[in-house]
Amino acid sequence: AQSVTQLGSHVSVSEGALVLLRCNYSSSVPPYLFWYVQYPNQGLQLLLKYTSAATLVKGINGFEAEFKKSETSFHLTKPSAHMSDAAEYFCAVSALGGTSYGKLTFGQGTILTVHP
Amino acid sequence: NAGVTQTPKFQVLKTGQSMTLQCAQDMNHNSMYWYRQDPGMGLRLIYYSASEGTTDKGEVPNGYNVSRLNKREFSLRLESAAPSQTSVYFCASSEADSNQPQHFGDGTRLSIL
Repeated sequence: AQSVTQLGSHVSVSEGALVLLRCNYSSSVPPYLFWYVQYPNQGLQLLLKYTSAATLVKGINGFEAEFKKSETSFHLTKPSAHMSDAAEYFCAVSALGGTSYGKLTFGQGTILTVHP
Repeated sequence: NAGVTQTPKFQVLKTGQSMTLQCAQDMNHNSMYWYRQDPGMGLRLIYYSASEGTTDKGEVPNGYNVSRLNKREFSLRLESAAPSQTSVYFCASSEADSNQPQHFGDGTRLSIL
């Protein structure tokens, strides 16, 4: 079984400030982890993914995430927020094997607001 | 470069009516998925198809049926719509490997009165 918890349903930052969106996962087998972004009235777009290579993963639009096995975390960060980063962000886990193979389990989502 | 195409984009139904949501992908992906998105609940898997000719239940399959018509197309049917099925429905596709990302359509916004 696998699950994802995103801490904070809403995060608000000022333009130029650090963005930190938290994600913790639970998985009985080695996980693959993903961050997706959803802009209003659109589908989900992939930001980045962890697939057991480097633990620090760089994605699009200046975002990155670090896989920490000891903390079962995969937090998303961006050094300097831009107004265009305002969106909803989803963390998701996929299992390497077992009955959950190939299926994504999503967190509840975090809405990021960026203030001028 | 279409990717995943969903139709219709919006629909309003009355309780008890039926309808089929259509999804097609042009990326030659083996796996396809249907999700529903409700506020504060993320995306929940309704049904998925690991390959052409196979379908399996996800987390919330009750009240829905699916058909994998061919490799490109995967439809979702509501036989007797209920207000609890008011939601935004997303179709996605991916390669068969679990380390490959899923590609999403723009969604169908469905309201059931």
